[in-house]
Amino acid sequence: AQSVTQLGSHVSVSEGALVLLRCNYSSSVPPYLFWYVQYPNQGLQLLLKYTTGATLVKGINGFEAEFKKSETSFHLTKPSAHMSDAAEYFCAVSDLGSSASKIIFGSGTRLSIRP
Amino acid sequence: GAVVSQHPSRVICKSGTSVKIECRSLDFQATTMFWYRQFPKQSLMLMATSNEGSKATYEQGVEKDKFLINHASLTLSTLTVTSAHPEDSSFYICSASSAGVNTEAFFGQGTRLTVV
Repeated sequence: AQSVTQLGSHVSVSEGALVLLRCNYSSSVPPYLFWYVQYPNQGLQLLLKYTTGATLVKGINGFEAEFKKSETSFHLTKPSAHMSDAAEYFCAVSDLGSSASKIIFGSGTRLSIRP
Repeated sequence: GAVVSQHPSRVICKSGTSVKIECRSLDFQATTMFWYRQFPKQSLMLMATSNEGSKATYEQGVEKDKFLINHASLTLSTLTVTSAHPEDSSFYICSASSAGVNTEAFFGQGTRLTVV
């Protein structure tokens, strides 16, 4: 079975500061890993995903994440936070190589940006 | 990316009535659709997986007679909440994926259901 753990339900950083959202996964098969962002009362937008290949993945809005198999981690970072980054962020995992596999989500981390 | 549209975005219904939520893939054929439920300030919980032309597969603990899922075409899946109760109030989100290995799932914008 696959699972995702997001450390910290709420993270607050100052505008311009580094953003670090933590995610650890558990999977018995090579995983697909995702980060999604959700704004209030809206659906999910894919920030980035890891499938195979390069372990440092760059996404939209300046976000990136690094797949570390030895640590079973997929932390999300952004060098400089912007006010518009305030939202809920979900880390997720699914089966690599499966057709249209279901996605398992972490509990989410709410990111707040202080002026 | 591909577009998935959910309708309605918000709905209020009375206890005991049924409400239908539609999920449409606008520019691709969705062989598989997923329905999720999200309680306030919580994560998305997968309710069921539906493949076009087949019966949906429900996750453990999800009442299939209460949450009816139909995936009759490659562009449309519906979720019907039957005999709705206030505890069914939630945010429902669908996602759709086309056939093939390693394909991405695209999410709808969600439906806020309030049962009064």
